[in-house]
Amino acid sequence: QVQLQESGPGLVNPSETLSLTCTVSNGSISTYYWSWIRQPPGKGLEWIGYIYYSGSTNYNPSLKSRVTISVDTSKNQFSLKVTSVTAADAAVYYCARGPPGSGSHRGYYYLDVWGKGTTVTVSS
Amino acid sequence: EIVLTQSPGTLSLSPGERATLSCRASQSVSSNYLAWYQQKPGQAPRLLIYGASSRATGIPDRFSGSGSGTDFTLTISRLEPEDFAVYYCQQYGSSSGFTFGPGTKVDIK
Repeated sequence: QVQLQESGPGLVNPSETLSLTCTVSNGSISTYYWSWIRQPPGKGLEWIGYIYYSGSTNYNPSLKSRVTISVDTSKNQFSLKVTSVTAADAAVYYCARGPPGSGSHRGYYYLDVWGKGTTVTVSS
Repeated sequence: EIVLTQSPGTLSLSPGERATLSCRASQSVSSNYLAWYQQKPGQAPRLLIYGASSRATGIPDRFSGSGSGTDFTLTISRLEPEDFAVYYCQQYGSSSGFTFGPGTKVDIK
């Protein structure tokens, strides 16, 4: 079945840019949207944004000014950049599949496959 | 922006008991936009229910979802040892995107 794997630096300096990549294996990146979600230590889940294979995006309004999500269909990967990071950006970052972009489940909004998550620390 | 409230914050039950978790939205939510997730310590969330009442692939039938409008419920009919975890509800809004409730922790009594 489809598997997702996050990769990227685990430590980022304050004020710099956080960059993560999610690799999709055992499935195509088309027909779904692909999301990033984060979870600060001991806290709940915060959706960051999603991208479709065509490149169309939707971002959390509270993060929109600092976030860019991109897709590379040739590599079956999508990526996240968060600029000007602070301690508040420290979290476990998850990539996930969803929402469905076509087929019978288009119009449903859920995240059905998740990566294991990667921890990002913000510190100098 | 639609805000989700989950209650109770913590539910202490014994294996074999029934668990009823509530998710209330500040405005009406389309059922297609309501989902439930289970998260265990150190693990990613797992989709349990989508469309308010449809079980995701591989989810046991002891998990069921119901509700509409502003009030939704996740029921676990008989708690198994592996069901003790944190449960989140999620909705989607056209202006806010995905938002999650604060979670309900189901722990062993």
